[in-house]
Amino acid sequence: ETGVTQSPTHLIKTRGQQVTLRCSSQSGHNTVSWYQQALGQGPQFIFQYYREEENGRGNFPPRFSGLQFPNYSSELNVNALELDDSALYLCASSFSRQETQYFGPGTRLLVL
Amino acid sequence: RKEVEQDPGPFNVPEGATVAFNCTYSNSASQSFFWYRQDCRKEPKLLMSVYSSGNEDGRFTAQLNRASQYISLLIRDSKLSDSATYLCAVIPNNNNDMRFGAGTRLTVKP
Repeated sequence: ETGVTQSPTHLIKTRGQQVTLRCSSQSGHNTVSWYQQALGQGPQFIFQYYREEENGRGNFPPRFSGLQFPNYSSELNVNALELDDSALYLCASSFSRQETQYFGPGTRLLVL
Repeated sequence: RKEVEQDPGPFNVPEGATVAFNCTYSNSASQSFFWYRQDCRKEPKLLMSVYSSGNEDGRFTAQLNRASQYISLLIRDSKLSDSATYLCAVIPNNNNDMRFGAGTRLTVKP
């Protein structure tokens, strides 16, 4: 096991709602990256947090936002949910910004 | 052109076979390269990092060709437990926004 945990494991929401996903990084890791993985696709980078600051963002709209706490755990917030937001959301932690990333088990989000 | 492209697959091989996956990347300034394994409905798990000199871990060998911008993964003596989707990943610059291929599904049959 990587020591990276995510909650909840599964979530069902309806269009227009808001959702918050949580991630606890591995002990000693100060960097958390978030990914969206649609069925049959590879993970797509959403953004990364390093020492509580956003450190890079992928091609996702502003309704995807996040933050990182002093203990390096992190949240991903998605507003105004759309059907296409249905996916597996993965967080990955790393010792620092350019180090190997280790994934949590993911949160499976279904938007109806 | 996608930043990271993999063999489309799927690969169906018998136990004991040798199978090779290739992955190409478009950004010549890419710095770090990885192979991840993902089982159905699970998270990606790091299989191995890929170094310029190539590296081996048991039955698995990874190679990097910077001139042609591709990485490869060779699996020897395939086991049933090797059945999974294999994802290649590239860090394009000095950032850490890792880019993944779509994955190649491998099924090893008895």
